[in-house]
Amino acid sequence: GAVVSQHPSWVICKSGTSVKIECRSLDFQATTMFWYRQFPKQSLMLMATSNEGSKATYEQGVEKDKFLINHASLTLSTLTVTSAHPEDSSFYICSAASREQYFGPGTRLTVT
Amino acid sequence: GNSVTQMEGPVTLSEEAFLTINCTYTATGYPSLFWYVQYPGEGLQLLLKATKADDKGSNKGFEATYRKETTSFHLEKGSVQVSDSAVYFCALSPAGAGSYQLTFGKGTKLSVIP
Repeated sequence: GAVVSQHPSWVICKSGTSVKIECRSLDFQATTMFWYRQFPKQSLMLMATSNEGSKATYEQGVEKDKFLINHASLTLSTLTVTSAHPEDSSFYICSAASREQYFGPGTRLTVT
Repeated sequence: GNSVTQMEGPVTLSEEAFLTINCTYTATGYPSLFWYVQYPGEGLQLLLKATKADDKGSNKGFEATYRKETTSFHLEKGSVQVSDSAVYFCALSPAGAGSYQLTFGKGTKLSVIP
């Protein structure tokens, strides 16, 4: 139980385009989902916390207009990277929380 | 603010060797401490946790003891297997926050060779 999926697992996009990453809790309902970013050899950095049906709470330094988060249901949250640039290339990880956080496998984004 | 420092990797061990991955933290009060493991191609999984000083978390042969006096939560296993090859993350959350406010270390990649 407590499985979280992410789609896609990797994506390559051109600079200036937008890309959407989905995070789903497959066998439980999650009122809260988290989005993290991980740079090579760095720890996971929390980007934002989203609660179903309300606006996401972004961490300091994260551009909310660039990283759009939607949490429309108890099993789905999406992260859209708008007008992507090469510096947005990273590994993005989501987690879904019931009593504790359960993590997805991550999405590798490469912007060319 | 809160922070977690864990030993740099990668760590390469032979099967049945003893494993220690050091983790120290900075936090106010009595945070909860966690070890997560990430196997290749999978999400982070909770390996073990401890919520108060002197608690020992254990799972799958791994152990870690919450040492308030040294602000440490070192991960140990007496005899590693090839299947233990993964990236290990030490993390903390403030007291009372469960695992909702996690601060992670950088991760330590472990490779176990036959």
